[in-house]
Amino acid sequence: GDSVTQMEGPVTLSEEAFLTINCTYTATGYPSLFWYVQYPGEGLQLLLKATKADDKGSNKGFEATYRKETTSFHLEKGSVQVSDSAVYFCALSDRYSGGGADGLTFGKGTHLIIQP
Amino acid sequence: DAGITQSPRHKVTETGTPVTLRCHQTENHRYMYWYRQDPGHGLRLIHYSYGVKDTDKGEVSDGYSVSRSKTEDFLLTLESATSSQTSVYFCAINDPGGTHTGELFFGEGSRLTVL
Repeated sequence: GDSVTQMEGPVTLSEEAFLTINCTYTATGYPSLFWYVQYPGEGLQLLLKATKADDKGSNKGFEATYRKETTSFHLEKGSVQVSDSAVYFCALSDRYSGGGADGLTFGKGTHLIIQP
Repeated sequence: DAGITQSPRHKVTETGTPVTLRCHQTENHRYMYWYRQDPGHGLRLIHYSYGVKDTDKGEVSDGYSVSRSKTEDFLLTLESATSSQTSVYFCAINDPGGTHTGELFFGEGSRLTVL
């Protein structure tokens, strides 16, 4: 079945540091890939997405590139801020498994802590 | 914006009691989902619905039932709550932007504690 693997953390960085959160996946079809962010006490918000190989999703300074050859979708940001402290989830939707309507498969989440 | 309202937002109950969580959406979306979030497990799908009275099981459906009698409401029921069902429950709808990528839009969550 489909699965998503990401580092769980916590990952602690200083403000203005470079961020990478690794995400790799296995899927039977041709998935769309997503990063969601969850701030303390809140629900999940879509951060960015990519729907086909070599697509780059970007939002709020974060980027991730859909790499089919390495089955990866690593999240990067050049200079993190304290306000980026949150839990980040990598997820996939396998459109050829249930037509993409049977929900997303999530990684376990990475807790990111940014220190001033 | 797609509107999702979950109720209650917080509930404390005792082992063996029934509990129902409600998810209400205002945008007439066909697909709705219930997930639970637990430390070390991320989000796991409990049940989902693809239309009125059409539901299917997810990864962790044991001990849960769902109903969808109206497009806008998706109910999650714990017939006899256990401590292992202490969790944060999230409702979601599919593809709010109509782009058919599988993207989900989440509610704010319902925190359930079973004593």
